[in-house]
Amino acid sequence: DAGVIQSPRHEVTEMGQEVTLRCKPISGHNSLFWYRQTMMRGLELLIYFNNNVPIDDSGMPEDRFSAKMPNASFSTLKIQPSEPRDSAVYFCASTRLAGVNEQFFGPGTRLTVL
Amino acid sequence: DQQVKQNSPSLSVQEGRISILNCDYTNSMFDYFLWYKKYPAEGPTFLISISSIKDKNEDGRFTVFLNKSAKHLSLHIVPSQPGDSAVYFCAAKAASKLTFGTGTRLQVTL
Repeated sequence: DAGVIQSPRHEVTEMGQEVTLRCKPISGHNSLFWYRQTMMRGLELLIYFNNNVPIDDSGMPEDRFSAKMPNASFSTLKIQPSEPRDSAVYFCASTRLAGVNEQFFGPGTRLTVL
Repeated sequence: DQQVKQNSPSLSVQEGRISILNCDYTNSMFDYFLWYKKYPAEGPTFLISISSIKDKNEDGRFTVFLNKSAKHLSLHIVPSQPGDSAVYFCAAKAASKLTFGTGTRLQVTL
């Protein structure tokens, strides 16, 4: 079984550019989560979706961040414009139902904004 | 405000000995606790969990202990093996959301 798929694995961009991170959850999973990992704050939840609907985006740091889930098999996290402080590893995770405890994580996208 | 804290950023243990990783939390609404393990360049993978109504859960070499009155949980790995070297994240669940600690890097030496 394929796990959660994220692309790209690495992204280097310049400040001010638009960045789009992509995620394909595990087939049959109805909940999808976007996290950001930094040294100082560890893993922070940015936003999560149930059945393609955003449920809680309170972790999205600024309006520069947006996320969409147009269908059950695809989600994007967009940063526009990007800033150096956005440099981090971004993880996508999915789970079968929102109330299920265990989440399955993708390999992450390492973003570097110069 | 960190609701889940892992105060030890790193831990070094000799192979064969016990590794004890600690985690403290502040939110009484957390009803489930999980430990994740992360290798470099990979996503976190689920290791073991415990419900808030229990105080111990064991799975092979891994045991998680929960002390609700102290709002503290710990992960014991015994015996520790070199392959256990990784970053360990404690996570706590309320509603559908997981809140993670900052992680503890475990190094198991030969």
